[in-house]
Amino acid sequence: NAGVTQTPKFRILKIGQSMTLQCTQDMNHNYMYWYRQDPGMGLKLIYYSVGAGITDKGEVPNGYNVSRSTTEDFPLRLELAAPSQTSVYFCASRHPPGTVSLGIGNTIYFGEGSWLTVV
Amino acid sequence: ELKVEQNPLFLSMQEGKNYTIYCNYSTTSDRLYWYRQDPGKSLESLFVLLSNGAVKQEGRLMASLDTKARLSTLHITAAVHDLSATYFCAVVGGLAGGTSYGKLTFGQGTILTVHP
Repeated sequence: NAGVTQTPKFRILKIGQSMTLQCTQDMNHNYMYWYRQDPGMGLKLIYYSVGAGITDKGEVPNGYNVSRSTTEDFPLRLELAAPSQTSVYFCASRHPPGTVSLGIGNTIYFGEGSWLTVV
Repeated sequence: ELKVEQNPLFLSMQEGKNYTIYCNYSTTSDRLYWYRQDPGKSLESLFVLLSNGAVKQEGRLMASLDTKARLSTLHITAAVHDLSATYFCAVVGGLAGGTSYGKLTFGQGTILTVHP
């Protein structure tokens, strides 16, 4: 059971380049999230998805796009990278609250993070 | 808009001492999470608090939730060096059964350093 897997772990981008951060989970979770963490700060929500084909914006969506064609995968696309997108990106997933026993249904699983630098 | 504030932001403790980290949030919620993060690492789940009055303990850490006061505390007992890390609280806005979709709003984090 791999949990939540993110790739790449590290990446350096030039200003204006594009890239996709990959996120895959093998727990059959409907809910998935992308957060970013700037130095010395808490995480902020970029986008989230409540199932295949359903996505919505979080607090800081500008400059990003997402898609959710399968339950397992939730890629995050950066178009025209800017220095302000230098950050650590975390993908997370969970079961919808209340669909499973109380203890399991409320656990949120985070990936290992992707360190992105835009120069 | 849900806002989550932690204090203190920096905490330097002596080994063996006790201290409390506070997490205040601005709107109704009955679901609060505590995480630990080591430098360069992902988040490690410590506690999930799901109702008013919930109290959970693991080793030297104990967390509680007061939904009426919109306050959670993380109490550290007899600190040891291994507890040095950054601690985050995170809140799911609204009440269970609502439409928050499990989205977390994080506090700024408390950087804890335990020294001899």
